[in-house]
Amino acid sequence: DAKTTQPNSMESNEEEPVHLPCNHSTISGTDYIHWYRQLPSQGPEYVIHGLTSNVNNRMASLAIAEDRKSSTLILHRATLRDAAVYYCILRYSGNTPLVFGKGTRLSVIA
Amino acid sequence: SAVISQKPSRDICQRGTSLTIQCQVDSQVTMMFWYRQQPGQSLTLIATANQGSEATYESGFVIDKFPISRPNLTFSTLTVSNMSPEDSSIYLCSVLNRGSGNTIYFGEGSWLTVV
Repeated sequence: DAKTTQPNSMESNEEEPVHLPCNHSTISGTDYIHWYRQLPSQGPEYVIHGLTSNVNNRMASLAIAEDRKSSTLILHRATLRDAAVYYCILRYSGNTPLVFGKGTRLSVIA
Repeated sequence: SAVISQKPSRDICQRGTSLTIQCQVDSQVTMMFWYRQQPGQSLTLIATANQGSEATYESGFVIDKFPISRPNLTFSTLTVSNMSPEDSSIYLCSVLNRGSGNTIYFGEGSWLTVV
């Protein structure tokens, strides 16, 4: 599986935008970029995914570089509830499981 | 989405015993996955469980230690056998929901402490 690299931790102020980076320089043409997050004491939660184009949903936006070697998860207005570990995962097929890296631990400061 | 219920949510187990974790989904799903999350660590895939076939185990996990059943499209069990303190982890069930664009959803996890 292609690997992703994320910062171990990031910090944000409440109500400010957060940009969570992910590098995936060995991504293949069929790999989808998925983002999940894990709130304290909970199972991982789907956030967003994309292939080539930028994607928006009610939770976040995903900006994908033109060469697809990196992507950024954007939380438009961080809240305390957004404090979690965020995982950037490449998945090449709809039938394959998710392979988790270490993720980025996001702290939100009031 | 899919609603996934795991039982037990938390348990304290004696060394040498076995515990079976149940995973119930509110809709029929083809693929289910079991993960382990050791304290302070990320998730590690244990096995993939498809209805009607034997579970497929990842490297480092064996059927004798983690037997899995998948009797129908809404239910699976994972047994942690002959437990030791190293098995103290969160065990998570997840499912692939084709109706949601092949999105994978997770249960809340079963927190096991082995003493």
